[in-house]
Amino acid sequence: EAGVTQFPSHSVIEKGQTVTLRCDPISGHDNLYWYRRVMGKEIKFLLHFVKESKQDESGMPNNRFLAERTGGTYSTLKVQPAELEDSGVYFCASSRLQGNYGGYTFGSGTRLTVV
Amino acid sequence: AQTVTQSQPEMSVQEAETVTLSCTYDTSESNYYLFWYKQPPSRQMILVIRQEAYKQQNATENRFSVNFQKAAKSFSLKISDSQLGDTAMYFCAFMEGSGGSNYKLTFGKGTLLTVNP
Repeated sequence: EAGVTQFPSHSVIEKGQTVTLRCDPISGHDNLYWYRRVMGKEIKFLLHFVKESKQDESGMPNNRFLAERTGGTYSTLKVQPAELEDSGVYFCASSRLQGNYGGYTFGSGTRLTVV
Repeated sequence: AQTVTQSQPEMSVQEAETVTLSCTYDTSESNYYLFWYKQPPSRQMILVIRQEAYKQQNATENRFSVNFQKAAKSFSLKISDSQLGDTAMYFCAFMEGSGGSNYKLTFGKGTLLTVNP
């Protein structure tokens, strides 16, 4: 089966611009998670979709971040307007079952650099 | 809230030798899972090994094994017969069991392991 696909793999934008990250989960995986790693720090949870519904968005940093998952397939994460502290690697993961005992399939991540 | 600490930002090992990566965690939960994930350069993060807290037996997966010390809240990863392909960032992670915290993973900062020929 195809893995979790994220694109772009890299993005460099100026402060104040908008960027949209995309994640295509494995087909049939209802659960989709977004995580972020800021340089030198821990990977932090952002949010969790079950199909098209947001199950938990407690990790979203602020209202400049908007995540969607229309139709319960791919997901987008939009940052508008981007700030310097938004730089980092954004990971997407999916699983068929909630939690799945940690057996998520992760994508390769999108490295976002805000200058 | 749970915390995961990896005290070794970087480590190196010679090919074919054994290396141990450290991880400690803090939780008041009794039911939880612990994981080691590996992310090779520019590649996706993959699950290396998983340990259920209620199991006393340490998990093993081929050349990878853990030393799970529940009372000490320690969860180290041992890689035997290191190979060049083991070069990667290794993340220790924690998840509450039974849906606690909505299945969120709590990660450590990672250890960059380099295997030298």
